[in-house]
Order: sequence, then C-alpha cells, then structure tokens
Amino acid sequence: EAQVTQNPRYLITVTGKKLTVTCSQNMNHEYMSWYRQDPGLGLRQIYYSMNVEVTDKGDVPEGYKVSRKEKRNFPLILESPSPNQTSLYFCASSLSNIKPYGYTFGSGTRLTVV
Amino acid sequence: KNEVEQSPQNLTAQEGEFITINCSYSVGISALHWLQQHPGGGIVSLFMLSSGKKKHGRLIATINIQEKHSSLHITASHPRDSAVYICAVENYGGSQGNLIFGKGTKLSVKP
Repeated sequence: EAQVTQNPRYLITVTGKKLTVTCSQNMNHEYMSWYRQDPGLGLRQIYYSMNVEVTDKGDVPEGYKVSRKEKRNFPLILESPSPNQTSLYFCASSLSNIKPYGYTFGSGTRLTVV
Repeated sequence: KNEVEQSPQNLTAQEGEFITINCSYSVGISALHWLQQHPGGGIVSLFMLSSGKKKHGRLIATINIQEKHSSLHITASHPRDSAVYICAVENYGGSQGNLIFGKGTKLSVKP
C-alpha cells in the first residue's frame, strides 16, 4: 500500500531532550515536506526537500533540523525541544514539485513538550 | 490578510443536505488542493485542481482561476462526512512548490 509512515504517533517529552520524528514513504517520491498544525494558525511548512541531499527552510524552521540521506526517509529533528514546539506534525510527500502532483500525508505526530 | 481564506469556519448540517465550502486566494497559483482531516488527525487529499471541475462520488470541486475562487460541494451529506476541510494553494515551477493552507472549515453533519 502506498503510504507515508510517521513515528511515533504520540510523544510527550521534556524541554531540552533531543528527539527525532521519523517519516518514510514507499512511493519513490522526490518531494517531501514537514508541517506543523496549531489551533488558529492552520498548517505551516517547517522544512522541505526536493530530492536526496537537497533541503530548504519553510515558513517556521526555527528549532528544527532535517536530513534527506535516502529518497524514502525525511526525519525531523528537534535538538532542544521547547514548549512552543508542542504541536501536531505532519509529513507529506509528492512525486515532484515541478508539476502538479497530489500529496500524500502521514497520519500525524502529536508532540507535547513539558 | 491571509493569502487563503475559507468560509464558513464552522458548518452544521442535517444529513442529506447539500453543502458548499468556499475558498478564496490572493496569490498566483499553479494548483489548488482540497484536503479532509477527520477527528484523530489524519489528512487525506480529496482533489487537486488547476482548472474547471472534478467529481468523486458525492464530492464536487470547482475552481475559477480568474476570480481566484474554489468551492467544494458535498451532495446528500452524511454523518461520516463530518471532518475539517482544508483548502491549500500551490505555486510550483521555480519555487519550492510550497503549499499555503487555509485555516479549515469544520463540518458537522447531524443524523
């Protein structure tokens, strides 16, 4: 089944403890992206990747890191999480960002930083 | 002013009613997406449009590029249609293809 898999689904952590949210797609998609969703603000892009080893900042990149060493994986890294990073996170992928292809979203990761 | 505006923010309907959700945008776009988010969080892509009209089952999406407006219609609504519907616009080809999202329309269909 074609899908984007995010893990974990739920995570509660403490301020300053490094964490990684994984994202993997099995569709050979070139484009991958991370979003966060907050009440009243909607979905906002954190980082995106147009292909292996090509990543760039979205609208709200502060406090986050990403890497794209393989086509299928695009992990989101929080080196020193803070409470303002409590949010619902989504990974998404698309075949390419050069033409209009649809997006496939992961199931989401609900992160709470205390 | 937000680049993507949806209306209404909240919508309650009785089962069987015809529903319309509107999306207006102020930027140039290459494509417009309609997404569905059920309680519990997952996001599903319903439609991608760059012109005209698309239909899938009881859902119909239209776009008017000149007026920068799109509508999502649900015919014969059902309680399982209860979800948040999100409009997102995309400008690709030279840029990163970033999606700009509306804040969503929360639909509740009562039996």
